Amino acid sequence: QSALTQPASVSGSPGQSLTISCTGTRSTFGTYNFVSWYQQHPDKAPKLVIYEATKRPSGVSYRFSGSMSDNTASLTISGLQAEDEADYYCCSYAGVDTFWVFGGGTKLTVL
Amino acid sequence: QVQLQESGPGLVKPSETLSLTCIVSGDSVRTSVSYWSWIRQSPGKRLEWIGYFYYSGTTNYNPSLKSRVTVSVDESKNQISLKLSSVTAADTAMYYCVRGAGWNYAFDYWGQGSLVTVSS
Repeated sequence: QSALTQPASVSGSPGQSLTISCTGTRSTFGTYNFVSWYQQHPDKAPKLVIYEATKRPSGVSYRFSGSMSDNTASLTISGLQAEDEADYYCCSYAGVDTFWVFGGGTKLTVL
Repeated sequence: QVQLQESGPGLVKPSETLSLTCIVSGDSVRTSVSYWSWIRQSPGKRLEWIGYFYYSGTTNYNPSLKSRVTVSVDESKNQISLKLSSVTAADTAMYYCVRGAGWNYAFDYWGQGSLVTVSS
């Protein structure tokens, strides 16, 4: 069982917006906003798409955005495209005792 | 462009020690403010952080694996190593060498992964 809880699967049609949630506790998120999100296509390594809960790395599509409220982090993908079909994982730096914890992953299907 | 390349045996016997190495190019393991980490992904796709070597020389490990794990670096080869002792079938996974950015705690560069199966 993961320290961060994500829905197992989500789906949407091309062009739609879709949000994936990541629920934790105060201990898993701590007083930090060091939440990151990763996209993983089949047989590929994960790729960073959001860091510090809301920031997008250079080269990542503007269609990816992150937010944080209380003990839930969210990843929103707007203008859904076929290439967005992948697994998505949230991750939190939980401090010097626990370090990093991951969510169980969400499979995104583009209908 | 930072690149990481893992290598090591794909098959390890139960109770033995798993050993992997990772060659880093495009960055330095001893001068970059980074957490040079190992992360594994089980066949069920669960991701688990294993441990890191911080550029200053500090190491830290996942509490659940701490008694069995060693992460070290060879500065002359710009290489990171992982040793996991007393392995069981539960250690079967894809093992990734990863750079953790020291300023935002995100894993920004990943190797392609090294699949390790524990079986007799």
